[in-house]
Amino acid sequence: NAGVTQTPKFQVLKTGQSMTLQCAQDMNHNSMYWYRQDPGMGLRLIYYSASEGTTDKGEVPNGYNVSRLNKREFSLRLESAAPSQTSVYFCASSPYPDRDKSPLHFGNGTRLTVT
Amino acid sequence: QKEVEQNSGPLSVPEGAIASLNCTYSDRGSQSFFWYRQYSGKSPELIMFIYSNGDKEDGRFTAQLNKASQYVSLLIRDSQPSDSATYLCAVTRGGGGADGLTFGKGTHLIIQP
Repeated sequence: NAGVTQTPKFQVLKTGQSMTLQCAQDMNHNSMYWYRQDPGMGLRLIYYSASEGTTDKGEVPNGYNVSRLNKREFSLRLESAAPSQTSVYFCASSPYPDRDKSPLHFGNGTRLTVT
Repeated sequence: QKEVEQNSGPLSVPEGAIASLNCTYSDRGSQSFFWYRQYSGKSPELIMFIYSNGDKEDGRFTAQLNKASQYVSLLIRDSQPSDSATYLCAVTRGGGGADGLTFGKGTHLIIQP
């Protein structure tokens, strides 16, 4: 079982470059999420998608855009990368709407460095 | 801003002893509580969840919830070196919606052989 698959695993960008982080899940989950994890800051929600066709901002959405391409795939785009976006990015999914019994299932993460 | 607070540690525990990890949360509407384990350089993995006040046991792990005190804890019995990791407490946001979980910053646990 693949679960949640993220690509790429590692990426180095120069300031101002753009890129898209890809995420796909094969668990037939409705909800998908993008988090970033920084030392001393914990996991912070960037964007989420409660179902196919919907997306909403989390607590740190500035500088990012997302696309819920279909039920399986949820991508995160950095249009003009900044050093402050250097982080580890995790995609996760959840079988919401059973939200109160729906833990998040995480992908393996993308380590992004912006120079 | 709804918050989840954890002592960052490191918490050092001898092998075979009980490790006790604590978490407090500010959102009284939170209904579900999760403990994740994260090894260095890896993604978080779910180890326990609890919804009702009281204790829930799963093998060497026991989760404890006190909603009145807004307090969640995780006990690890017979601690092993392989339990050395960062433990993340996570809670659902009150008010409904699919807006994920709020995470604490984690407690770094070290089991000393």
